[in-house]
Amino acid sequence: DAKTTQPTSMDCAEGRAANLPCNHSTISGNEYVYWYRQIHSQGPQYIIHGLKNNETNEMASLIITEDRKSSTLILPHATLRDTAVYYCIVRVVVRGSTLGRLYFGRGTQLTVWP
Amino acid sequence: GAVVSQHPSWVICKSGTSVKIECRSLDFQATTMFWYRQFPKQSLMLMATSNEGSKATYEQGVEKDKFLINHASLTLSTLTVTSAHPEDSSFYICSAGDSSNQPQHFGDGTRLSIL
Repeated sequence: DAKTTQPTSMDCAEGRAANLPCNHSTISGNEYVYWYRQIHSQGPQYIIHGLKNNETNEMASLIITEDRKSSTLILPHATLRDTAVYYCIVRVVVRGSTLGRLYFGRGTQLTVWP
Repeated sequence: GAVVSQHPSWVICKSGTSVKIECRSLDFQATTMFWYRQFPKQSLMLMATSNEGSKATYEQGVEKDKFLINHASLTLSTLTVTSAHPEDSSFYICSAGDSSNQPQHFGDGTRLSIL
């Protein structure tokens, strides 16, 4: 089961910042927060991940609260091509394996309008 | 960036046939590959975890004899849907990762339609 909760849908005007929230109140100390997005009929695309510090890359910024119980993905200048389902995932660390599984919740449908 | 390729991208076949889907990591060695299934308007559901050279680990409720997984090399994993029926029609997606803490990367999926 997914360990995160996200709003079902959000809208954003093109060129504005899109702020997508995620709650993960039961996150463990060694679990990372990952963000992926899925454009219709394609495989998910990795966006960003973090443990406790804020992170930024060419696609987005990730703000994680100090208690790590929630985070926000920020797309600084949303475009029409950013319309997608955005998934916030807590990475489960499997004992004996260095690579944890990803369990997807329902995600947030972000619609960017002109 | 890392690239994962799936083949075929879509397939239509008759009920009762078996269908094989390939997942390849093109520019890195994938020690672990994952297989997901996604029904329309639903999220991705993890089916199984495949480690190179060992048996796959299936999620609860996924029939291992129905969905055969082979991960014989560090760049290729295959999922075979055996004796497929219309209810097996779905979007099947693989992902791959190496042994580091780097994120998994996903293929573009295979749309399977069973008539």
